[in-house]
Formats: sequence, structure tokens, C-alpha cells
Amino acid sequence: GAVVSQHPSWVICKSGTSVKIECRSLDFQATTMFWYRQFPKQSLMLMATSNEGSKATYEQGVEKDKFLINHASLTLSTLTVTSAHPEDSSFYICSARPQGGLIGNQPQHFGDGTRLSIL
Amino acid sequence: AQSVAQPEDQVNVAEGNPLTVKCTYSVSGNPYLFWYVQYPNRGLQFLLKYITGDNLVKGSYGFEAEFNKSQTSFHLKKPSALVSDSALYFCAVRDGGGATNKLIFGTGTLLAVQP
Repeated sequence: GAVVSQHPSWVICKSGTSVKIECRSLDFQATTMFWYRQFPKQSLMLMATSNEGSKATYEQGVEKDKFLINHASLTLSTLTVTSAHPEDSSFYICSARPQGGLIGNQPQHFGDGTRLSIL
Repeated sequence: AQSVAQPEDQVNVAEGNPLTVKCTYSVSGNPYLFWYVQYPNRGLQFLLKYITGDNLVKGSYGFEAEFNKSQTSFHLKKPSALVSDSALYFCAVRDGGGATNKLIFGTGTLLAVQP
């Protein structure tokens, strides 16, 4: 149980292109999803918290207009990297926290990540 | 601010030997602690958590972790390492009591198990 599907797993595109990444909770509902960025041999950096039906909460230093987040349903959140440039190349990972129960007790379940390469 | 520290970038252990991956934490209240494992080009997999109760927590794949309040540690352990355990391990602490349930991750420890 608690499977999170992330798509696509790998994207290579030209500079200036916008790229959309999907994060789906397959067997549970998630009011909250999280988007992380991971650089090689480094830890995960939280970019934003996505809340179903409301605006995402971005971490300090993350450009809202650059990284658009939409959480339109309890099973789907999307991250769109707008006008991507080579410096946006990274490994992007989403996670979802199951709805219900004690909030702090629920572990986050992660997708398999999306490797984004901007040429 | 809440934080976790993983003092070792890499841990090397021979197959069949016990392994320990270290984690220390700093929190203002009661800690909610987690261990995750990441295989190459994959997301993170949940291993175990400590919320309350017994200090020894058992998790997936034979892993366990010991919560030590006096030493503010939450070390990950396994009695007998497998080559397939080789991966990147992250310790994490929950940040705050709000609905966002943000996780603060350590820098990760690469576990290398030699056959």
C-alpha cells in the first residue's frame, strides 16, 4: 500500500521549454503533497508544500512563478517548471502524506523522482 | 530550529556483519523521527519511525533504530548486513506540529556493503 507514482521519470528538453511533472497517490488520498529537489550527492531540499484546493506554500528562495504547483484533487499534484534553463536541471521528487489519522504520525511516501535535464 | 545530523558521509561494512548508521537530532519538543532509504535514481522508501513508546523501533527489511533521549540519537541498525542494503540512508525529523508535517532531512549516509 501507500504507492506514489511520479511521471515522467526522465525528461530531456531544450532551454525555454516548460515541463510538467505529475505526482499521484495511487491507493490513498493525500490532502498534502510535497515537492523536493535533490542535487547530486546531496540531501533533499523542500521546495513547496502542496495543499489540495488551495495555494501551495513555497519555501524561502523558491520562485513561485518559476515552479508552478497545482493540487486539484486528493490524488494528484503537478509541478510545472516554466521556461526551464540548464540551472533547473536536477532530480525532482514528490511525496504524499495520507489523509486522516494523527498528522505527525503519518510518514510521507515518495515517488521515484523525475530526472530533468535542460540542454 | 529543528535539525538532524548524520556525521558519516559513508559507512563500509562487510556482508554478514552488523551495521550502524548514525543520526543525532535537535528539537524543541518531542521528536518525531524517521529513517528513509534511497536507491540510485529512485525516490525514498520509508523504513521506520519513532513517535512514542518503546525506544527500539523495528522497521522494514530487518532494520531497527534505537531512540536515545539522553544522547539525542536515533541510530539505524541491522544485525547482519546484505549487499542489497547498499544505498543512501536519510534520517529525518518532523518540523513542528502543524498540518504541513514538513520533514527536515539529514545530509544522508551512503552505506556500502562488501561481499
